[in-house]
Amino acid sequence: SQTIHQWPATLVQPVGSPLSLECTVEGTSNPNLYWYRQAAGRGLQLLFYSVGIGQISSEVPQNLSASRPQDRQFILSSKKLLLSDSGFYLCAWSPNSQETQYFGPGTRLLVL
Amino acid sequence: EDQVTQSPEALRLQEGESSSLNCSYTVSGLRGLFWYRQDPGKGPEFLFTLYSAGEEKEKERLKATLTKKESFLHITAPKPEDSATYLCAVRQGGSEKLVFGKGTKLTVNP
Repeated sequence: SQTIHQWPATLVQPVGSPLSLECTVEGTSNPNLYWYRQAAGRGLQLLFYSVGIGQISSEVPQNLSASRPQDRQFILSSKKLLLSDSGFYLCAWSPNSQETQYFGPGTRLLVL
Repeated sequence: EDQVTQSPEALRLQEGESSSLNCSYTVSGLRGLFWYRQDPGKGPEFLFTLYSAGEEKEKERLKATLTKKESFLHITAPKPEDSATYLCAVRQGGSEKLVFGKGTKLTVNP
């Protein structure tokens, strides 16, 4: 069976510091990978998605970037965090673009 | 402009009191409507995918239905462990993106 991992589970960072969140998937190959952010009172918002190694598509302009260095690894980064980057970050995977997306446990980020 | 609207925002039920949650959508060329359950501080857990009007799916006390404009999540004889936020999302044809509603927070009291 497939398993998706995210770490860290929680993170408190000062404004202006860098960020690196990691997501890995086990039990499948060549998955589609997604980064979402969930803010209080708002629906989940897609930030980035990837259909293969090195292929990244951005949905919204922002202070964040994503990379996919390996088939089942997806990284969310920032060079300098803003207060508005606080939120609950969720990684998801799907077998292909037409099928269900399955979510990881999430990372709670608080920028102070 | 919201493409996915869920109602009510919050719902309180007594154990055993059946009800329905609504998800209305305005996307054209629907390529899937998805229901998830989310517990506090955790990632969404997949429940159902519906692809065409008239389709129905069931799992334990939950039943999801789909029309051309909306989906319902029916909860029959709910238990306290059904308390969670239920999220609805749609995928438009040709898009990778799932557009999510804001969710319905369900509380089932014993």
